[in-house]
Amino acid sequence: QVQLQESGPGLVKPSETLSLTCAVSGYSISSGYYWGWIRQPPGKGLEWIGSIYHSGSTYYNPSLKSRVTISVDTSKNQFSLKLSSVTAADTAVYYCARLCITMVRGVLLNWFDPWGQGTLVTVSS
Amino acid sequence: SSELTQDPAVSVALGQTVRITCQGDSLRSYYASWYQQKPGQAPVLVIYGKNNRPSGIPDRFSGSSSGNTASLTITGAQAEDEADYYCNSRDSSGNHHYVFGTGTKVTVL
Repeated sequence: QVQLQESGPGLVKPSETLSLTCAVSGYSISSGYYWGWIRQPPGKGLEWIGSIYHSGSTYYNPSLKSRVTISVDTSKNQFSLKLSSVTAADTAVYYCARLCITMVRGVLLNWFDPWGQGTLVTVSS
Repeated sequence: SSELTQDPAVSVALGQTVRITCQGDSLRSYYASWYQQKPGQAPVLVIYGKNNRPSGIPDRFSGSSSGNTASLTITGAQAEDEADYYCNSRDSSGNHHYVFGTGTKVTVL
């Protein structure tokens, strides 16, 4: 059973860099799949931040691209998120999730499953 | 980028049927996946692809799609189905980007 667990500081000062790690258990990241980060501001909806393939290829939300870096460490079976120059608008619960992509009878399917439990990051001085 | 629009809230009587819709241009090219989120919990996948349910998801949840609209139907809604529901699909740009719907709060009366 694949499980994901986010970790990192719960409080970050404005203009600093938010850093989170997602530890994966029950599956070896180097075996495949994409892995993603999603966030949810308090009381609001979900926002895709970006994804990374096990080989290291990355894809970012255009609205965050200039500030986001996602990396993978296959030796530790984990992947990480860095978001620079944070403001109060970056306060959110941050989730990591496995991104499944497959082709069935010529049709591309994709879904996020499973998800980590999420970690609240507050940006405040 | 693309947007996926959902009705903010719907209500359903216990045991009745409710349909949640998700509209967006990307849905003409890609199937939606659907997620249930209860307060204080992480989202849980309930439907992916044309109409696929992960193991453990009750068969009262079903999905469908037509044109630019994807739908999640709960047939015989139960009290435990009260939650927020989000759709998700690949961005219509085809650049391996993803977008979530605005979310629908389902209340079971």
